Amino acid sequence: GAVVSQHPSWVICKSGTSVKIECRSLDFQATTMFWYRQFPKQSLMLMATSNEGSKATYEQGVEKDKFLINHASLTLSTLTVTSAHPEDSSFYICSPRTSGFQETQYFGPGTRLLVL
Amino acid sequence: ILNVEQSPQSLHVQEGDSTNFTCSFPSSNFYALHWYRWETAKSPEALFVMTLNGDEKKKGRISATLNTKEGYSYLYIKGSQPEDSATYLCAFMGGSQGNLIFGKGTKLSVKP
Repeated sequence: GAVVSQHPSWVICKSGTSVKIECRSLDFQATTMFWYRQFPKQSLMLMATSNEGSKATYEQGVEKDKFLINHASLTLSTLTVTSAHPEDSSFYICSPRTSGFQETQYFGPGTRLLVL
Repeated sequence: ILNVEQSPQSLHVQEGDSTNFTCSFPSSNFYALHWYRWETAKSPEALFVMTLNGDEKKKGRISATLNTKEGYSYLYIKGSQPEDSATYLCAFMGGSQGNLIFGKGTKLSVKP
């Protein structure tokens, strides 16, 4: 299957700091990137969708000024959690997809964020 | 709000047992149903993408069926092995937007 890397895998930070998470699709070009998060005992929830070179579309309840998404190339997307607070502690996972709705959607290994 | 339910939440079986779990999803506006296998600290691994009512797919000892009219899919594992231990996720894709809506997963533990 496709290789997707996500960095860092774990991050602990103080409240008020910003955290950047990188997602790379190593062997294919991702025209669309999905960012999900998962709170304990909950399902993966879509946060936002971005297409290369375009602004991201955010799901209801997700603040676009707090979760900055950059999808500058077909192999790299970043999610920046700005001024993180303890309630932002979660598991964040990226999911690149090639064109076509029925294509398999791949996932990164995720980033565990803990905000103190 | 679209809801995807998976049951059971967790399952403990002995090596060699066969097992199955359920994913239920909205029966309207169906586009595709995805199954993933997710081991701790790894990326979710795609198992199946199912699109047609009555579809049956197989990959080794794992197979899945799909009923879009009643809104459910079953995942079967024949002769479970310890390496099958993982969380199995299903995700519903409806309409033209193509976003995946996930269930909470079924966590399978296979004891040797």
